[in-house]
Formats: sequence, structure tokens, C-alpha cells
Amino acid sequence: GDSVTQMEGPVTLSEEAFLTINCTYTATGYPSLFWYVQYPGEGLQLLLKATKADDKGSNKGFEATYRKETTSFHLEKGSVQVSDSAVYFCALTGAAGNKLTFGGGTRVLVKP
Amino acid sequence: GAGVSQSPSNKVTEKGKDVELRCDPISGHTALYWYRQRLGQGLEFLIYFQGNSAPDKSGLPSDRFSAERTGESVSTLTIQRTQQEDSAVYLCASSLNRGGEKLFFGSGTQLSVL
Repeated sequence: GDSVTQMEGPVTLSEEAFLTINCTYTATGYPSLFWYVQYPGEGLQLLLKATKADDKGSNKGFEATYRKETTSFHLEKGSVQVSDSAVYFCALTGAAGNKLTFGGGTRVLVKP
Repeated sequence: GAGVSQSPSNKVTEKGKDVELRCDPISGHTALYWYRQRLGQGLEFLIYFQGNSAPDKSGLPSDRFSAERTGESVSTLTIQRTQQEDSAVYLCASSLNRGGEKLFFGSGTQLSVL
């Protein structure tokens, strides 16, 4: 079945550092790929998405590129802020397109 | 309402009791999902509704778990004879159409089984 694997956290960074969170997936067909974010005390919300190979999703300074050859969708941000402290989830919808399959989440803590 | 609403926000129950968790999706959203998030773990899919029917209930962990949706709106997740391993945050999400679209999540119900 479909699965998503992402790097374990917590990831602790200083403000303005570069952030990468690795995500790889297993799925049949051509899934759509997503990053969701859960800020402290809030519900999950969509950060960005990509629906086909080589697409780049971007939002709030974050980017991720759909790499079919490596089955990856790594999340990057060039200069993090304290407000980026959150748990980040990589996810996909498979061929049936009727549910999201999530990775285990990566907690990111940005220190001033 | 403006977002997905779940109630109660916290529920403490004794082992063996039944619990009902409620989800009010965003008005007009035809797809509704239930997920479970155990402490420190990722989201585990439970069930998906399209309208009032559930074409995918493959994630329900046992026959103690059931869910229904009425009026293409409110959904309830029922756990019978709760066990300690049922302790988790239960998250509800809705989307305008079926999966692949943007999901809107509620804040969840924290269930603690003593």
C-alpha cells in the first residue's frame, strides 16, 4: 500500500538557518504530494502541494519539488524564523484519490 | 461555522465505556475524514465519507469502532468498550470534494482512557 517516510525530529535550528526535511514515498501510479503544518495549539493546515512530476510547490518561503525518479518531496526553506516552529507532515493521495496518507511528522524548533 | 468543529475537545473515560466523538465539517464540504494521532506519531487514517456513505473504512482498527454521517454534514465516531490503546487525538477533516483537494482539519478530540 501507499506509505510516506520522513526524517525523525526534533530538528533544532537557529533563526535564519537553512531547513531541509526529507520525505520519500511509496505509491502506485502518480500520487499528489503535500506538506501539512501543525503550529502549536492549532489544527493541521495545508502548506504546499504538487500534483505531477517536477512540479514545485511553494508557500511562505517553503518549497518542495516532486521528484518521481527518487520518489521524494523534500521540504526546504532558506532562512527560518521562530514562527516556523511547528510539526511538519508529508502526505500523499494515491491512485484512488480518496484519502491522505501521512508520514510520521517532523517537529522543528527554531531558536532566536 | 467558519471551520471544522470537533467536540468534545477533551474526553476522559474509563476502560470499557463507550464514547462518541462529534465532527461538524465546513458547510458544503462533501468529503469528511477521520484520523487518529497517537502521542508522538503520525496520522493514521480511519474512515472517509463522501456524502453520507463511507466508501473507505479500511482504517477502522476493530469492530469496536464505527462512524456515521447524516445530512451530508455532522459525523460521529463511536468507540465501544474503550481500551487504553484507544487513547489518542482523533482528528476530523473535510474537503469540498474527494481527496486530492485541500483538507481542512479540526483541532481534534483528545481521548484518554484510564
